[in-house]
Amino acid sequence: GESVGLHLPTLSVQEGDNSIINCAYSNSASDYFIWYKQESGKGPQFIIDIRSNMDKRQGQRVTVLLNKTVKHLSLQIAATQPGDSAVYFCAESGGSYIPTFGRGTSLIVHP
Amino acid sequence: EAQVTQNPRYLITVTGKKLTVTCSQNMNHEYMSWYRQDPGLGLRQIYYSMNVEVTDKGDVPEGYKVSRKEKRNFPLILESPSPNQTSLYFCASRGSTNEKLFFGSGTQLSVL
Repeated sequence: GESVGLHLPTLSVQEGDNSIINCAYSNSASDYFIWYKQESGKGPQFIIDIRSNMDKRQGQRVTVLLNKTVKHLSLQIAATQPGDSAVYFCAESGGSYIPTFGRGTSLIVHP
Repeated sequence: EAQVTQNPRYLITVTGKKLTVTCSQNMNHEYMSWYRQDPGLGLRQIYYSMNVEVTDKGDVPEGYKVSRKEKRNFPLILESPSPNQTSLYFCASRGSTNEKLFFGSGTQLSVL
């Protein structure tokens, strides 16, 4: 079946550095992608999304890049802060409109 | 405040004792879904509902039931819980197709 995966299960960065979290997807029909942040003891929360007619979208300190040629999605966090420590999930949906989640990347920010 | 509310937050039960985890959303969302989250496996969908009286199996439906009698509520029922259903459960809802999901705070279930 189709799957959404992550390249790195854990990413450790220093406070103030930029973080890049990657995601590979295999469903070529996917046309909507979302990044979620899950802090310890909480449910996932929406960070940013992107549709397949775009290759880049920026939010506050976050940027999502979509490369449809290689089916790759990335989340960039600028000036990473301790409060950014969390598990980050990518999710994709296509024709079925049922989102599929990756397994998550744990981001650890060291002061 | 727009939110998805799950109850209870924590639940410890014994094998075979029927239980229900409630989920309610106040955003008039049509789509609702249940996920379980296990270490290393991410979020796996149990059941989902596109609208009232419409439910479908997700990736891991065995041992679970759901109902959607009202738009705002989507309870998860475990008729005869087993230890392999020990997990962290999340309810989520969404308005239009291909929009972000709103998640509840989670229910940590332990089946002894």
